[in-house]
Amino acid sequence: GESVGLHLPTLSVQEGDNSIINCAYSNSASDYFIWYKQESGKGPQFIIDIRSNMDKRQGQRVTVLLNKTVKHLSLQIAATQPGDSAVYFCAVKADSGGYQKVTFGTGTKLQVIP
Amino acid sequence: DGGITQSPKYLFRKEGQNVTLSCEQNLNHDAMYWYRQDPGQGLRLIYYSQIVNDFQKGDIAEGYSVSREKKESFPLTVTSAQKNPTAFYLCASSMSQDSTDTQYFGPGTRLTVL
Repeated sequence: GESVGLHLPTLSVQEGDNSIINCAYSNSASDYFIWYKQESGKGPQFIIDIRSNMDKRQGQRVTVLLNKTVKHLSLQIAATQPGDSAVYFCAVKADSGGYQKVTFGTGTKLQVIP
Repeated sequence: DGGITQSPKYLFRKEGQNVTLSCEQNLNHDAMYWYRQDPGQGLRLIYYSQIVNDFQKGDIAEGYSVSREKKESFPLTVTSAQKNPTAFYLCASSMSQDSTDTQYFGPGTRLTVL
């Protein structure tokens, strides 16, 4: 089955710097990738997604990069702000016997230093 | 105000009791899901439903039951057979089960067994 992992459990960045959060997946048939932000005690919020036929997608202050060759996904946050402090995790979707199975990473806790 | 609501926010259960967690959505989504979140682990799928009156077991269905009598509602019952029920429970919904349909999450219910 699919396994999804993040490279760092915790990431500390200075306010105003850029943040990069990474995610690795194992199933080369994965075709849809999502980044979520989860604040303490709350449900995950959708941030940005990318399909397997793309390698980059940009949103407001966020960019997702997909490298299918090495099965790696990253989330870049520009000009990190204190409100960006949260746990970020990736989700990877792949067909599993007719069901679109989603596998979630364990999350990277982003701490923004004022 | 569209979205997914879960109630209660906090729930305490004595050992041997069944409890039911509520999940309601007004997004007109066909598919709904229940996940369990434990510290240091990715979200794990308990049950999912692709359409009214139909649901399927996820990866950790033992000790749980669901129903899907209405499109808007997908309640989860944690039975006394669930040996370690203390966790954060998240409900999600998506337009359908198609590969690029994003799952959106509710605010979660924290269940504690006393």
